[in-house]
Amino acid sequence: AQSVTQLGSHVSVSEGALVLLRCNYSSSVPPYLFWYVQYPNQGLQLLLKYTSAATLVKGINGFEAEFKKSETSFHLTKPSAHMSDAAEYFCAVRRSGGGADGLTFGKGTHLIIQP
Amino acid sequence: SQTIHQWPATLVQPVGSPLSLECTVEGTSNPNLYWYRQAAGRGLQLLFYSVGIGQISSEVPQNLSASRPQDRQFILSSKKLLLSDSGFYLCAWSIPGTGLVRGYTFGSGTRLTVV
Repeated sequence: AQSVTQLGSHVSVSEGALVLLRCNYSSSVPPYLFWYVQYPNQGLQLLLKYTSAATLVKGINGFEAEFKKSETSFHLTKPSAHMSDAAEYFCAVRRSGGGADGLTFGKGTHLIIQP
Repeated sequence: SQTIHQWPATLVQPVGSPLSLECTVEGTSNPNLYWYRQAAGRGLQLLFYSVGIGQISSEVPQNLSASRPQDRQFILSSKKLLLSDSGFYLCAWSIPGTGLVRGYTFGSGTRLTVV
């Protein structure tokens, strides 16, 4: 079965600093990986996805993630944090097997931006 | 364009009362539909998914049930709510076979508080 682990339930960075949110996956098949962002009391918005093409994936709002098979990681980064980046971030892996596709999510990382 | 609607946005219900949450998708046909629950500190848990009218798969045994009476309508129900049913419920959809390319689109969620 596929699973993801997000390291750190809360991450705090200063405005303008590098953002690094960690995600490690476990998958018995080539994984398809996603990052979603959730603002308070809203649904989830897709930031970016890895689907076995380029290992460095660029998403919306200046975020990018690099797929590293040797490290089973898909960490999310942004060079310079902005106050509007404060939100909950979820890493997800596509489920495989019979029936519908779907996603298995990590527990989320709450990103706090310090002024 | 495709849109997804969820209602109500917030709901406060007493223990033992029934529940009905509705999700509808517009602008597409025969979507895969999903119900997720987000509980504090536990990430998102897939509850049900559906690949077609009347076809429901349950991921976890629980006090809830789901139905798909129409192609683009997905309903989450309970006959008697428990305190542990409190959480943020999210509906999502994907086009069969394209989830890897287009991702999964989420509704804005329903905040359920059982008192």
